Amino acid sequence: NAGVMQNPRHLVRRRGQEARLRCSPMKGHSHVYWYRQLPEEGLKFMVYLQKENIIDESGMPKERFSAEFPKEGPSILRIQQVVRGDSAAYFCASSPPSRAYGYTFGSGTRLTVV
Amino acid sequence: DQQVKQNSPSLSVQEGRISILNCDYTNSMFDYFLWYKKYPAEGPTFLISISSIKDKNEDGRFTVFLNKSAKHLSLHIVPSQPGDSAVYFCAASGGRGSQGNLIFGKGTKLSVKP
Repeated sequence: NAGVMQNPRHLVRRRGQEARLRCSPMKGHSHVYWYRQLPEEGLKFMVYLQKENIIDESGMPKERFSAEFPKEGPSILRIQQVVRGDSAAYFCASSPPSRAYGYTFGSGTRLTVV
Repeated sequence: DQQVKQNSPSLSVQEGRISILNCDYTNSMFDYFLWYKKYPAEGPTFLISISSIKDKNEDGRFTVFLNKSAKHLSLHIVPSQPGDSAVYFCAASGGRGSQGNLIFGKGTKLSVKP
């Protein structure tokens, strides 16, 4: 029973390019959360999704960032026209429906914008 | 506005002694608190949690204490072991509009010296 799988582990993008981060939740988990950790900071909530639904995107920047969790396939966090300030570690977590707080994190994707 | 604060960026403890990590919060609506442990290049791992209806929860070497009147919680590790060296994040949930997302502190880096 694999844990939460995130890929790629490391992603380098030039300013202005697009970044796509993928997250496959644990088997049986239908809730996905995305968090971002800037250097020397704690994790900041970005978005909470269920299959085909965005439940809470209050932590998402208004522009350039989007997230989806389709019926089939992984959840995708998409960052368009990346800037240096987007460089961070992006963590995905998943949980079963009955335990909203007891979620499991993936190992993260470290995005570096050059 | 930081709702969850970990005021000590780092803590150094001798092996076998007690480690005490502290966390303060400002939102009285929080009703669930968690501690996560994070090693470099890995995702956070859930350690222990406590509901606001309790003031103590114990799991092996780890005990979390909650003082609601002071809006303060602490994690005690006894006895501390070198393998406990990691960054510890305090997190809270249950504030207004909460959908299960967590508010994290900035973390405390614990070093346990042999």
